[in-house]
Amino acid sequence: NAGVTQTPKFRILKIGQSMTLQCTQDMNHNYMYWYRQDPGMGLKLIYYSVGAGITDKGEVPNGYNVSRSTTEDFPLRLELAAPSQTSVYFCASSYGAEQETQYFGPGTRLLVL
Amino acid sequence: SQKIEQNSEALNIQEGKTATLTCNYTNYSPAYLQWYRQDPGRGPVFLLLIRENEKEKRKERLKVTFDTTLKQSLFHITASQPADSATYLCGGLEGSSNTGKLIFGQGTTLQVKP
Repeated sequence: NAGVTQTPKFRILKIGQSMTLQCTQDMNHNYMYWYRQDPGMGLKLIYYSVGAGITDKGEVPNGYNVSRSTTEDFPLRLELAAPSQTSVYFCASSYGAEQETQYFGPGTRLLVL
Repeated sequence: SQKIEQNSEALNIQEGKTATLTCNYTNYSPAYLQWYRQDPGRGPVFLLLIRENEKEKRKERLKVTFDTTLKQSLFHITASQPADSATYLCGGLEGSSNTGKLIFGQGTTLQVKP
Protein backbone atom coordinates (compact mmCIF):
# COMPACT_ATOMS: atom_id res chain seq x y z
CA ASN A 1 0.00 0.00 0.00
CA ALA A 2 1.25 3.47 -0.86
CA GLY A 3 -1.05 5.00 1.80
CA VAL A 4 -1.86 8.66 1.16
CA THR A 5 -0.01 10.31 -1.71
CA GLN A 6 0.04 14.01 -2.56
CA THR A 7 1.28 15.89 -5.61
CA PRO A 8 3.05 18.15 -6.18
CA LYS A 9 5.60 18.24 -3.37
CA PHE A 10 6.33 21.93 -3.89
CA ARG A 11 4.87 24.68 -6.04
CA ILE A 12 5.34 28.40 -6.52
CA LEU A 13 2.28 30.32 -7.71
CA LYS A 14 1.82 33.91 -8.73
CA ILE A 15 -1.01 35.92 -7.16
CA GLY A 16 -4.24 35.22 -9.00
CA GLN A 17 -3.16 31.88 -10.50
CA SER A 18 -5.11 28.68 -9.90
CA MET A 19 -3.98 25.17 -9.13
CA THR A 20 -5.19 21.80 -7.92
CA LEU A 21 -3.49 19.86 -5.17
CA GLN A 22 -3.93 16.16 -5.70
CA CYS A 23 -4.57 13.61 -2.95
CA THR A 24 -5.05 9.86 -3.41
CA GLN A 25 -5.40 7.06 -0.88
CA ASP A 26 -5.38 3.33 -1.56
CA MET A 27 -6.70 2.11 1.80
CA ASN A 28 -10.40 2.25 0.86
CA HIS A 29 -10.98 4.88 3.54
CA ASN A 30 -14.34 6.63 3.66
CA TYR A 31 -13.24 9.84 5.35
CA MET A 32 -10.77 12.30 3.87
CA TYR A 33 -9.52 15.68 5.08
CA TRP A 34 -7.53 18.66 3.89
CA TYR A 35 -5.50 20.66 6.39
CA ARG A 36 -3.16 23.60 6.16
CA GLN A 37 -0.26 24.15 8.52
CA ASP A 38 1.40 27.53 8.92
CA PRO A 39 4.86 27.82 10.56
CA GLY A 40 4.75 27.06 14.29
CA MET A 41 1.05 26.38 14.13
CA GLY A 42 -1.11 23.34 14.33
CA LEU A 43 -3.29 21.90 11.60
CA LYS A 44 -6.36 23.83 10.46
CA LEU A 45 -9.12 21.90 8.70
CA ILE A 46 -10.04 23.30 5.28
CA TYR A 47 -12.54 20.76 3.91
CA TYR A 48 -13.51 17.20 4.62
CA SER A 49 -15.47 14.36 3.04
CA VAL A 50 -17.24 11.37 4.57
CA GLY A 51 -17.66 9.54 1.28
CA ALA A 52 -17.77 9.91 -2.48
CA GLY A 53 -20.04 12.78 -3.45
CA ILE A 54 -20.18 14.22 0.09
CA THR A 55 -18.04 17.18 1.12
CA ASP A 56 -18.31 19.90 3.73
CA LYS A 57 -16.44 22.96 4.97
CA GLY A 58 -13.97 22.93 7.80
CA GLU A 59 -12.63 25.79 9.86
CA VAL A 60 -10.86 27.73 7.05
CA PRO A 61 -12.57 27.01 3.69
CA ASN A 62 -12.42 30.47 2.08
CA GLY A 63 -10.45 30.50 -1.17
CA TYR A 64 -10.62 26.73 -1.64
CA ASN A 65 -12.89 24.17 -3.24
CA VAL A 66 -13.00 20.38 -3.22
CA SER A 67 -14.70 17.50 -4.96
CA ARG A 68 -14.92 13.79 -4.19
CA SER A 69 -16.04 11.80 -7.20
CA THR A 70 -14.30 8.57 -6.12
CA THR A 71 -13.38 6.97 -2.80
CA GLU A 72 -9.68 7.26 -3.63
CA ASP A 73 -9.30 10.89 -4.74
CA PHE A 74 -9.91 14.16 -2.95
CA PRO A 75 -8.42 17.10 -4.89
CA LEU A 76 -8.20 20.60 -3.40
CA ARG A 77 -8.62 23.54 -5.76
CA LEU A 78 -7.24 27.05 -5.25
CA GLU A 79 -9.00 29.40 -7.64
CA LEU A 80 -7.30 32.79 -7.18
CA ALA A 81 -4.10 32.32 -5.21
CA ALA A 82 -3.31 34.90 -2.54
CA PRO A 83 -0.15 35.31 -0.39
CA SER A 84 -2.24 34.28 2.65
CA GLN A 85 -2.50 30.81 1.08
CA THR A 86 1.25 30.28 1.40
CA SER A 87 1.36 27.22 3.63
CA VAL A 88 1.97 23.50 3.81
CA TYR A 89 -1.06 21.44 2.87
CA PHE A 90 -1.72 17.98 4.23
CA CYS A 91 -4.29 15.48 3.07
CA ALA A 92 -5.39 12.76 5.48
CA SER A 93 -7.78 9.83 5.45
CA SER A 94 -9.41 7.52 7.93
CA TYR A 95 -11.69 4.51 7.73
CA GLY A 96 -14.24 6.32 9.85
CA ALA A 97 -16.77 4.91 12.30
CA GLU A 98 -14.81 3.28 15.15
CA GLN A 99 -11.44 3.39 13.35
CA GLU A 100 -10.56 7.03 13.80
CA THR A 101 -6.82 7.07 13.17
CA GLN A 102 -5.95 9.60 10.49
CA TYR A 103 -3.24 8.73 7.98
CA PHE A 104 -1.46 11.74 6.54
CA GLY A 105 0.21 12.33 3.24
CA PRO A 106 3.70 13.87 2.94
CA GLY A 107 2.35 17.36 2.28
CA THR A 108 2.50 19.97 -0.46
CA ARG A 109 4.47 23.15 0.19
CA LEU A 110 2.89 26.11 -1.58
CA LEU A 111 4.43 29.52 -1.98
CA VAL A 112 2.31 32.35 -3.42
CA LEU A 113 4.25 35.37 -4.61
CA SER B 1 -15.08 28.25 20.62
CA GLN B 2 -13.71 24.74 21.06
CA LYS B 3 -9.99 24.86 21.62
CA ILE B 4 -7.01 22.56 22.07
CA GLU B 5 -3.89 24.16 23.52
CA GLN B 6 -0.38 22.83 23.84
CA ASN B 7 2.71 24.45 25.26
CA SER B 8 4.27 26.19 22.28
CA GLU B 9 7.65 26.47 23.99
CA ALA B 10 10.11 23.77 23.02
CA LEU B 11 10.83 21.13 25.61
CA ASN B 12 14.52 20.27 26.05
CA ILE B 13 15.45 17.23 28.09
CA GLN B 14 18.39 14.95 28.62
CA GLU B 15 18.52 11.47 27.12
CA GLY B 16 17.14 8.85 29.48
CA LYS B 17 14.76 11.22 31.26
CA THR B 18 10.96 11.19 30.96
CA ALA B 19 9.43 13.81 28.68
CA THR B 20 5.97 15.07 29.64
CA LEU B 21 3.88 17.07 27.18
CA THR B 22 0.60 18.77 28.04
CA CYS B 23 -2.61 19.15 26.06
CA ASN B 24 -5.48 21.26 27.46
CA TYR B 25 -8.96 21.54 26.01
CA THR B 26 -11.42 24.39 26.61
CA ASN B 27 -15.09 25.11 25.93
CA TYR B 28 -15.94 21.49 25.19
CA SER B 29 -15.35 17.88 26.14
CA PRO B 30 -13.84 15.75 23.37
CA ALA B 31 -14.94 12.13 23.22
CA TYR B 32 -11.32 11.21 22.54
CA LEU B 33 -7.88 12.72 22.09
CA GLN B 34 -5.23 11.60 19.64
CA TRP B 35 -1.49 12.17 19.74
CA TYR B 36 0.62 12.43 16.59
CA ARG B 37 4.33 12.77 15.94
CA GLN B 38 5.56 15.09 13.19
CA ASP B 39 9.12 15.18 11.90
CA PRO B 40 10.39 18.24 9.95
CA GLY B 41 9.12 18.26 6.36
CA ARG B 42 6.84 15.26 6.91
CA GLY B 43 3.20 14.54 7.62
CA PRO B 44 2.01 13.67 11.14
CA VAL B 45 2.06 10.03 12.20
CA PHE B 46 -0.50 8.60 14.63
CA LEU B 47 0.78 7.43 18.01
CA LEU B 48 -2.05 6.93 20.50
CA LEU B 49 -5.76 7.50 21.00
CA ILE B 50 -7.37 7.81 24.43
CA ARG B 51 -11.12 8.03 25.05
CA GLU B 52 -12.77 10.18 27.72
CA ASN B 53 -13.73 7.11 29.77
CA GLU B 54 -10.12 5.86 29.82
CA LYS B 55 -7.76 7.18 32.44
CA GLU B 56 -4.52 5.95 30.92
CA LYS B 57 -3.14 4.16 27.88
CA ARG B 58 0.31 2.77 27.17
CA LYS B 59 2.27 1.70 24.12
CA GLU B 60 5.87 0.66 24.61
CA ARG B 61 7.67 3.74 26.10
CA LEU B 62 4.63 5.98 25.55
CA LYS B 63 1.92 6.73 28.08
CA VAL B 64 -1.04 9.07 27.73
CA THR B 65 -3.55 10.13 30.37
CA PHE B 66 -6.96 11.80 30.14
CA ASP B 67 -8.16 13.89 33.09
CA THR B 68 -11.70 15.18 32.52
CA THR B 69 -11.62 17.17 35.77
CA LEU B 70 -8.53 19.14 34.79
CA LYS B 71 -9.57 19.09 31.10
CA GLN B 72 -6.12 17.88 30.26
CA SER B 73 -4.15 15.07 28.64
CA LEU B 74 -0.54 14.32 29.47
CA PHE B 75 1.76 12.51 27.05
CA HIS B 76 4.82 10.83 28.53
CA ILE B 77 7.87 9.35 26.81
CA THR B 78 9.96 7.34 29.24
CA ALA B 79 13.67 6.66 28.78
CA SER B 80 13.74 9.30 26.05
CA GLN B 81 16.19 9.02 23.18
CA PRO B 82 17.52 11.59 20.68
CA ALA B 83 15.41 9.80 18.04
CA ASP B 84 12.31 10.95 19.97
CA SER B 85 13.09 14.55 19.00
CA ALA B 86 10.13 15.79 16.97
CA THR B 87 6.99 17.90 17.23
CA TYR B 88 4.06 16.24 18.97
CA LEU B 89 0.51 17.23 18.09
CA CYS B 90 -2.60 16.71 20.19
CA GLY B 91 -5.96 16.51 18.43
CA GLY B 92 -9.42 16.30 20.00
CA LEU B 93 -12.59 15.07 18.30
CA GLU B 94 -14.70 18.09 17.43
CA GLY B 95 -17.90 18.30 19.47
CA SER B 96 -20.22 15.35 19.00
CA SER B 97 -18.98 14.92 15.48
CA ASN B 98 -19.40 11.57 13.74
CA THR B 99 -17.17 12.76 10.94
CA GLY B 100 -13.88 12.20 12.75
CA LYS B 101 -13.01 15.90 12.53
CA LEU B 102 -10.15 16.80 14.84
CA ILE B 103 -9.23 20.12 16.42
CA PHE B 104 -5.44 20.29 16.76
CA GLY B 105 -3.22 22.16 19.15
CA GLN B 106 -0.20 24.04 17.85
CA GLY B 107 2.17 21.24 18.79
CA THR B 108 5.10 20.99 21.19
CA THR B 109 8.63 20.46 19.90
CA LEU B 110 10.68 18.02 21.94
CA GLN B 111 14.47 18.06 21.79
CA VAL B 112 16.26 15.18 23.49
CA LYS B 113 19.95 15.85 24.04
CA PRO B 114 22.46 12.98 24.23
